[in-house]
Amino acid sequence: DIQMTQSLSTLSASVGDRVTITCRASQTINNWLAWYQAKPGKAPNLLIYKASSLNVGVPSRFSASGYGTEFTLTIDSLQPEDFATYYCQQYNRFPWTFGQGTRVEIK
Amino acid sequence: RLVESGGGLVKPGGSLRLSCAASGFNFSPYTMNWVRQVPGRSLEWVAGIISSSSHIFYADSVKGRFTISRDNARQSLSLQMTSLRADDTSVYYCARGTEDNLFFFDLWGQGTQVTVSS
Repeated sequence: DIQMTQSLSTLSASVGDRVTITCRASQTINNWLAWYQAKPGKAPNLLIYKASSLNVGVPSRFSASGYGTEFTLTIDSLQPEDFATYYCQQYNRFPWTFGQGTRVEIK
Repeated sequence: RLVESGGGLVKPGGSLRLSCAASGFNFSPYTMNWVRQVPGRSLEWVAGIISSSSHIFYADSVKGRFTISRDNARQSLSLQMTSLRADDTSVYYCARGTEDNLFFFDLWGQGTQVTVSS
């Protein structure tokens, strides 16, 4: 199985900060990577697919990049509603696997 | 919209059937999946089925115990769970994949809690 590693489990930041979350795959996944935002008691929300494509309705302060094994999700000017947990997921090779999540908390 | 139902408390070794009702979109062309999450822990993809039901996929952790199925006419997805274990305790989400058989998930239900405990 492809292991997805998010180096930070928790990240502390303030409103207005620029935040970068990283995700590493244990083998190359080309650009078959998605990012999700999850909040307690709510369904996860797709932010990014194909490593850098913004899903419909996702604010433009979210962006992402990467190819192969190294990927990043960036949030420009963090907003109060962005405090959540973010997961990466590879869909290059079965079984589809998620990172362990990076929780963005208020500093 | 996706709405799950059927969760609950079940004893180890027991069975449960989860359902997911889809509305507001044409269900037929999409891959459909079940993804689970223990609160406070990561997401785990459990099972997926392509539009025609000709290809079905399971995580190793549930293979042989869970069965995913779909009814395109009724716009519904099911997950039959047998031989349940304590480590199957999770919130189970119904999640939509894509029309071209890619397994990322752009629409999720609110989830249904499954608790396996004696």
